[in-house]
Amino acid sequence: DTGVSQDPRHKITKRGQNVTFRCDPISEHNRLYWYRQTLGQGPEFLTYFQNEAQLEKSRLLSDRFSAERPKGSFSTLEIQRTEQGDSAMYLCASSLLRTKRSYTFGSGTRLTVV
Amino acid sequence: DQQVKQNSPSLSVQEGRISILNCDYTNSMFDYFLWYKKYPAEGPTFLISISSIKDKNEDGRFTVFLNKSAKHLSLHIVPSQPGDSAVYFCAASGLQGAQKLVFGQGTRLTINP
Repeated sequence: DTGVSQDPRHKITKRGQNVTFRCDPISEHNRLYWYRQTLGQGPEFLTYFQNEAQLEKSRLLSDRFSAERPKGSFSTLEIQRTEQGDSAMYLCASSLLRTKRSYTFGSGTRLTVV
Repeated sequence: DQQVKQNSPSLSVQEGRISILNCDYTNSMFDYFLWYKKYPAEGPTFLISISSIKDKNEDGRFTVFLNKSAKHLSLHIVPSQPGDSAVYFCAASGLQGAQKLVFGQGTRLTINP
């Protein structure tokens, strides 16, 4: 197992375009999380899944953002009509149910909106 | 509202000495605290954690101290090694929204030879 995998590593897009990121968690992990990190800040919680169910969403996740985890395996995060303020590192993490909140993070997808 | 704060953006320590990284929190509902370490171009890596029922947890060169009355935690690294140079984030979670971690802004630690 190679850990949590995120694709792409980098994405440059024009304002107004839609983008989609993918996260492949560690295979036996049933919880999956999305965080966003901007320069000089720590990661901020966006949403999390337990298996295929999305159990919590942050108010940071506007209507332009949607996340899915079909069949409880990989997850996608889509941003519609991107804005310059969406430029950030998007981090995915996974964990086991019994693990006390010590996630395993992926290396992230860096989004730049121009 | 910044519920978890790391007031030192950077810290420089000589190799072999002790590194002390500090973190303050405001939400008394937090019951679990973690430290993560991040190298450039990588995601954060879990380092050590502590439950609010304890005041100290040790793992090799790393010790985390929790002072609940002061709402303060610290990470001690002894002895510091060059490979410890990284950004360190403290994080907290509470009974409500227990799966969500609230992170501080991070402290960049540089270990000098």
